[in-house]
Formats: sequence, C-alpha cells, structure tokens
Amino acid sequence: AQKITQTQPGMFVQEKEAVTLDCTYDTSDPSYGLFWYKQPSSGEMIFLIYQGSYDQQNATEGRYSLNFQKARKSANLVISASQLGDSAMYFCAMREGQVRNQGGKLIFGQGTELSVKP
Amino acid sequence: DTEVTQTPKHLVMGMTNKKSLKCEQHMGHRAMYWYKQKAKKPPELMFVYSYEKLSINESVPSRFSPECPNSSLLNLHLHALQPEDSALYLCASSHPTGENTGELFFGEGSRLTVL
Repeated sequence: AQKITQTQPGMFVQEKEAVTLDCTYDTSDPSYGLFWYKQPSSGEMIFLIYQGSYDQQNATEGRYSLNFQKARKSANLVISASQLGDSAMYFCAMREGQVRNQGGKLIFGQGTELSVKP
Repeated sequence: DTEVTQTPKHLVMGMTNKKSLKCEQHMGHRAMYWYKQKAKKPPELMFVYSYEKLSINESVPSRFSPECPNSSLLNLHLHALQPEDSALYLCASSHPTGENTGELFFGEGSRLTVL
C-alpha cells in the first residue's frame, strides 16, 4: 500500500496566486516526520518545510506553510504569492519512527509538477 | 549553493566500463545516502551509511558498490551497468540523532547515461 500519496500529477497556478499541493500519508507509528521538497529541472532536491507528528502548530517557512491535519493524515503544502521560480516538481516525504532509529530514511510520494503561469 | 557536492554532474559510460560517482559534505553529518531517480519519478533509496558503516542496502544489484572512506566522503562504484540504470543519482546527508528532524540535505545529482 502507498505510504505517501500525492494525487495531483500536475498543477497550474497563476503568478501571485496561492496554490495547495495535496499529500496524504499512512502510518501506524505515533512518531513520524513529514517533509516537502522542491526539485527544479536542474535536479537538486531543495528542502522546504518540516512537520513533526507531535508538533502542535502548523509549520511555516516564508511563503510556504504546511496544513497538517493529523486525524485525516494529510499534510498539504500551501505556497502563497506564487512566483515563476516556483515552477518545479514537489515531493512530499515521510520519516517513520524516531530519527535516532531511522536516521533520515524517507519515503517519497510520486510528486506534483507545478507550473506557474505569468 | 548546495553543501553536498557531487561529481561528475554528467557521466556517459558503456556497459563494460568501470566508473565512480563521488559525494562530499562538510556539515559534520554522520549519515550519508545514495538515491536513484528516474525521470518524473520519486527518488528511490539505494544505500545508507551511518557512522561510516553500511546500515541499509535496499536490495541493490551488485553492479553498484558503495564505499564510505570517511565521514565526509561517499562513493558509488559502477561496473557492468545496463541501459536501464541510466538515471539521476542523488547523494544526501543528515544528522542521525534524535536532536534533529532527520532532514536530508541533497546534492545536485549525477546524471548517468549507460549506452
């Protein structure tokens, strides 16, 4: 069964508008971490934002925020005020268990390709 | 600029060649990883080194041979590869301790083409 599901293979957004990228996950471990990475065409995976399973508040980093709904097992990424440079592939990823046991082993979703239109 | 450096950025090799991919980080991380990524697909974990010891091998064929000479360096030796091994190979590092999130820091990748 898929542990991380991203149901939007591709999305378009108008420049300066907000966009939400969906991510649902499945785990029975009470301790886990959720990550979003951006991958431009150059190939590098760029870390955007992190949410821990015990974090009480939704994570925010600049224009990025994570809409964490634990009961629904969803961790959607919201990008506000989209810019042309936001066009890239976006991956949701999960670490199951505590860091000291799992290190940084991450399970990735299939990705969403975001295109920002001028 | 990324703090994980991978060389070469591009590599073309024949099926009988022997080549190596190199990865270096100077962030003091003690866990290093190799991922393989095909176009438009998510990265797939190949190997994990923790404190210079191989801790995870995700059933990777023996034509891929990892090596961790020290805490800053990670190599991937390639021999007798197949055309389907053509992919982007990503190196990453992280803190393997409970004081961190487990975030992976990635390099820019080495794009491999096997003819």
